[in-house]
Amino acid sequence: DAGVIQSPRHEVTEMGQEVTLRCKPISGHNSLFWYRQTMMRGLELLIYFNNNVPIDDSGMPEDRFSAKMPNASFSTLKIQPSEPRDSAVYFCASSPSENQPQHFGDGTRLSIL
Amino acid sequence: GESVGLHLPTLSVQEGDNSIINCAYSNSASDYFIWYKQESGKGPQFIIDIRSNMDKRQGQRVTVLLNKTVKHLSLQIAATQPGDSAVYFCAENKGDYKLSFGAGTTVTVRA
Repeated sequence: DAGVIQSPRHEVTEMGQEVTLRCKPISGHNSLFWYRQTMMRGLELLIYFNNNVPIDDSGMPEDRFSAKMPNASFSTLKIQPSEPRDSAVYFCASSPSENQPQHFGDGTRLSIL
Repeated sequence: GESVGLHLPTLSVQEGDNSIINCAYSNSASDYFIWYKQESGKGPQFIIDIRSNMDKRQGQRVTVLLNKTVKHLSLQIAATQPGDSAVYFCAENKGDYKLSFGAGTTVTVRA
């Protein structure tokens, strides 16, 4: 079975540029999560979607971050404008429903110069 | 706030020996716990989970033990192999969608 698929795997761009990260969850999973992982802060939940609807975006750092889920098989996380402090590994995860195991993609390693 | 923590940040184990990774949690309302394994350059991989109505659960070469009295969770890996080298995270859930992750324990397997 295909797992969670993220693209790109690596992104290097200059500050001020727009960055779009993409995620394809596991088919049939109703819950989708975006996380950010850094050495200093570990894994942080950014936003949670259930049935394509954003339920909790309290973890989104600021207005420069936005996320969409136009359908059950696709989600994007956008940063505009990007800043060096946004450099991190961004993970997408999906689960069949709440309170069930979340399955993670292999992440996008983002470097903002 | 309450959080999940790990007793040791690193663990070195001889190949073939058993490994025990410990995790303490402080939220008595947590009712679901998960262990993840994260290899370099990859995302956290689900290993095994346990709900609060159980004390023990076994998988392939892994066993999770839950002691609700002292709020302690452990992951036991039998016959540790080089491929088991990774960072291991415990995570707790309070019945909703949020997972609280521990800081992680780095396991290194010695040949």
